[in-house]
Amino acid sequence: QLQLQESGPGLVKPSETLSLTCTVSGGSISSYYWSWIRQPPGKGLEWIGYMYYSGNINYNPSLKSRVTISVDTSKNQFSLKLSSVTAADTAVYYCARLYSSPSYFDYWGQGTLVTVSS
Amino acid sequence: DIQMTQSPSSLSASVGDRVTITCRAGQSISIYVNWYQQKPGKAPELLIYAASSLQSGVPSRFSGSGSGTDFTLTISSLQPEDFATYYCQQSYSTPQTFGGGTKVDI
Repeated sequence: QLQLQESGPGLVKPSETLSLTCTVSGGSISSYYWSWIRQPPGKGLEWIGYMYYSGNINYNPSLKSRVTISVDTSKNQFSLKLSSVTAADTAVYYCARLYSSPSYFDYWGQGTLVTVSS
Repeated sequence: DIQMTQSPSSLSASVGDRVTITCRAGQSISIYVNWYQQKPGKAPELLIYAASSLQSGVPSRFSGSGSGTDFTLTISSLQPEDFATYYCQQSYSTPQTFGGGTKVDI
């Protein structure tokens, strides 16, 4: 059974960079697309971006200037960096596998709350 | 971006009720809609993909229909474990977008 687990700081200061890692277990990160999605407290879901294990990347235009997603196949991990954060970036961040053709998110991590505050 | 509009935003129902949630896309998206269930403090779980295909392990009381711009998620007989928030999502084009959610409670 594929499992995903997010890790990283739960508190980030304004203007700094949010960094999260998703560790994939029970299967290989090679093949499939890997994605980040976030959910501000009490609100809906926002897709951040996805990356194919071999390098094809697609970001949400609303965040594109601040987002970097990368994959480390040797560690079976993928990562998210979001720069210049503000309070509006406070959210639960989920990593997920994006199955393609048709496209849907079939495996999710449990989510990690990141709060932006000084 | 393709806007996904869900209705209602919330509904009250009882065990055994038939529940219908609708999702309207801002443009035609063929059958590229997925439905997720989210319980408090948990990650969303995939219920339906490609408008009407039931994800493995999901009870058959859940069904989806629609194409083009109008889509429906139906729960044929609501069970206690179905009280949750439901989201539609379009995968027709990036950025992939979600509906605002429908909270189903007692």
